[in-house]
Amino acid sequence: EDQVTQSPEALRLQEGESSSLNCSYTVSGLRGLFWYRQDPGKGPEFLFTLYSAGEEKEKERLKATLTKKESFLHITAPKPEDSATYLCAVCSNAGNMLTFGGGTRLMVKP
Amino acid sequence: GAVVSQHPSRVICKSGTSVKIECRSLDFQATTMFWYRQFPKQSLMLMATSNEGSKATYEQGVEKDKFLINHASLTLSTLTVTSAHPEDSSFYICSAAMDPNTGELFFGEGSRLTVL
Repeated sequence: EDQVTQSPEALRLQEGESSSLNCSYTVSGLRGLFWYRQDPGKGPEFLFTLYSAGEEKEKERLKATLTKKESFLHITAPKPEDSATYLCAVCSNAGNMLTFGGGTRLMVKP
Repeated sequence: GAVVSQHPSRVICKSGTSVKIECRSLDFQATTMFWYRQFPKQSLMLMATSNEGSKATYEQGVEKDKFLINHASLTLSTLTVTSAHPEDSSFYICSAAMDPNTGELFFGEGSRLTVL
């Protein structure tokens, strides 16, 4: 059974204070690992897909990395508008379903 | 990115009534759509996989007679919560894959159901 664990559950940062969110996973053959951003009362918004260990992707202040056991979402010099819940999910080669982690609630204070 | 639209975004109903939620892929065709449920401050829980032209596949513990799913076309899937009760109050989110080979999903805006 695929499992995804995200840490920390909640993270408070000052504006400009860089940090990383962790996503640990176990999956029977990784098809892809996905990062989503979710604002309160909204559906998840797609950020990144990572397919193989060593892969990195960047978008503005966000950078996602992947190893065989975990993924990190690095946030550089965050701004208050980066406050949201960040969800990590994996899709195995066995099917098309995503297994989600519990998410990390990020709060960036000015 | 691809656009998935859900309607209604909010619905309040009395206990015992049925509520239909629509999920549309606006700029692509989706043979498979997924329905999730999300409780406050919790992650998404997959309810069922909706397949165009065939019966939906439900996850363990999800009552198929309670949550009716119809995927009548390549751009529309509907979730009907039948005889809704207060415990069915939740945030329901649909998603669709533009390219099933990538596993990448695009999500709708979600529908907040409140059953009084």
